[in-house]
Amino acid sequence: AQSVAQPEDQVNVAEGNPLTVKCTYSVSGNPYLFWYVQYPNRGLQFLLKYITGDNLVKGSYGFEAEFNKSQTSFHLKKPSALVSDSALYFCAVRDPNRDDKIIFGKGTRLHILP
Amino acid sequence: NAGVTQTPKFQVLKTGQSMTLQCAQDMNHNSMYWYRQDPGMGLRLIYYSASEGTTDKGEVPNGYNVSRLNKREFSLRLESAAPSQTSVYFCASSNSGTGFIYGYTFGSGTRLTVV
Repeated sequence: AQSVAQPEDQVNVAEGNPLTVKCTYSVSGNPYLFWYVQYPNRGLQFLLKYITGDNLVKGSYGFEAEFNKSQTSFHLKKPSALVSDSALYFCAVRDPNRDDKIIFGKGTRLHILP
Repeated sequence: NAGVTQTPKFQVLKTGQSMTLQCAQDMNHNSMYWYRQDPGMGLRLIYYSASEGTTDKGEVPNGYNVSRLNKREFSLRLESAAPSQTSVYFCASSNSGTGFIYGYTFGSGTRLTVV
């Protein structure tokens, strides 16, 4: 069965420092991987995706993520954090050999400290 | 661009009352989904509809029913609300097949409180 894990409930980073939000996954085939962000009282917004190709994918707001097949990970990164990056981040996975459902992680709350 | 529209945005129900959450998308997507979001639980799939005329249970379907009225609209009904159904509900839509690579588009959510 497909699953996704976000091992950290919360991550605190000082403004200007690099940030990493961790995600690992489990699927039977080659995964589709996604990151979504949720700001307070809002719906989820698409950040970036990995379908195939280059292992480093770039997305919105200066975020990027690295697909590592051997470690089954898809960590979200940003070189220099902004206070406005504070939000709830969800990693998600879909097995393209199955149906169209995405499985979401439990979310990681990112706090950027001024 | 409206995307996915959910109504209402907020609702308070008494235990045992019924209500329907409405969702409509204008992106010509085939698939639609209902999720609930609870603290520490992430998003859990309630029901989904892979195409017009079909619906399937997700992870937490008990206490809910759905209707895929047409390609645009997918409603979620609580027949007899319980306090355990206090949550934030999100509707989402997506293309199917090779179009799925674009992932989901989410509505802005309905915050439901059952007292």
